[in-house]
Amino acid sequence: QKEVEQDPGPLSVPEGAIVSLNCTYSNSAFQYFMWYRQYSRKGPELLMYTYSSGNKEDGRFTAQVDKSSKYISLFIRDSQPSDSATYLCAMSGDSGGSNYKLTFGKGTLLTVNP
Amino acid sequence: SAVISQKPSRDICQRGTSLTIQCQVDSQVTMMFWYRQQPGQSLTLIATANQGSEATYESGFVIDKFPISRPNLTFSTLTVSNMSPEDSSIYLCSVGDTQYFGPGTRLTVL
Repeated sequence: QKEVEQDPGPLSVPEGAIVSLNCTYSNSAFQYFMWYRQYSRKGPELLMYTYSSGNKEDGRFTAQVDKSSKYISLFIRDSQPSDSATYLCAMSGDSGGSNYKLTFGKGTLLTVNP
Repeated sequence: SAVISQKPSRDICQRGTSLTIQCQVDSQVTMMFWYRQQPGQSLTLIATANQGSEATYESGFVIDKFPISRPNLTFSTLTVSNMSPEDSSIYLCSVGDTQYFGPGTRLTVL
């Protein structure tokens, strides 16, 4: 079993739809959870950063973490064509120091159609 | 946030040669990370580079194949040595606790 599982998609939705992206993980030591957006031929950019279980909202984006189920989600409301990108989940057990390391999912390719 | 640049942005290389990738950050950072992103695969950490010390390599990556330099707090290089087609990938550097990424270097080995 891989440490982080993410459905690669592709996922295609109409403009204005609510998008749900998900990852599951197996390592109970993970404490920090991140979502990145990666446009084609660009590096990943950090979208959301959460610690432990709970929800975090930033504009049209909401990140949810359920540590009991080892399941994280990213919701995008009122999706726009500019949201078309690959979304990567990532997680770690340490926020700093020499042992800091991110484990990534494979990414989900999202296309929002006008 | 940090602004990160990488050189070259892309390259096509012959088998058996080596390529050095540069990563420049606009501010001083303690830790720099080198990742590989192969098609259809997860971003994978190659090594962590701290200024003034040897890089720490992840399982499956060795210094002879991926030597790293970290001469100061704003710059690092990753060399891909004795390349084979299996090394064709995007190589990314990143910095910071939440790991800001550079734009990547797209390497194709023929």
